[in-house]
Amino acid sequence: GENVEQHPSTLSVQEGDSAVIKCTYSDSASNYFPWYKQELGKGPQLIIDIRSNVGEKKDQRIAVTLNKTAKHFSLHITETQPEDSAVYFCAAQDLGGSYIPTFGRGTSLIVHP
Amino acid sequence: DSGVTQTPKHLITATGQRVTLRCSPRSGDLSVYWYQQSLDQGLQFLIQYYNGEERAKGNILERFSAQQFPDLHSELNLSSLELGDSALYFCASSVVLNTEAFFGQGTRLTVV
Repeated sequence: GENVEQHPSTLSVQEGDSAVIKCTYSDSASNYFPWYKQELGKGPQLIIDIRSNVGEKKDQRIAVTLNKTAKHFSLHITETQPEDSAVYFCAAQDLGGSYIPTFGRGTSLIVHP
Repeated sequence: DSGVTQTPKHLITATGQRVTLRCSPRSGDLSVYWYQQSLDQGLQFLIQYYNGEERAKGNILERFSAQQFPDLHSELNLSSLELGDSALYFCASSVVLNTEAFFGQGTRLTVV
């Protein structure tokens, strides 16, 4: 089955800095890579996703990049704000096969004002 | 608000007991997933239903079972509860199998 590794487990930045979270996956059949943000006491919320036919996708201050050859993808947050503080999860999914999102173990992002 | 509703939000019960967690998917979503989130284990996939049928199983214990009803809501039944079953249980839903999943707010289960 799919295995997703996520690093770092904790990331502490100053407000205004950039943050990068990296994930690797094992199953070359995976073709859909969503990112979720989980705030304290809430469920994971989809913030951005990328499909395997695209190398990069941006949405305001967040962007995701995908390297299919190396089987890794990253979340980039620019101009971080305190409200970006949360746990971020990456996931990998085969939309043509098992359909089950496999999640990384999460990154706790702390943005200091 | 994702549109996925889970009840109850919190549940405290004793070891050996049985509980039922309920999930109402977003309107129109046919697929329901259940995940367990422990402190240091991330999101562990338990089971998936699609239009009333079990579609995939993950690391779900034999003491746990689930079903999806004709109105598409789903229930996760946990029996012979142990202290280690204390966790957040999330339900997610998607329109069909190959679209993004939206998560509910979770049920926090505490077994004492």
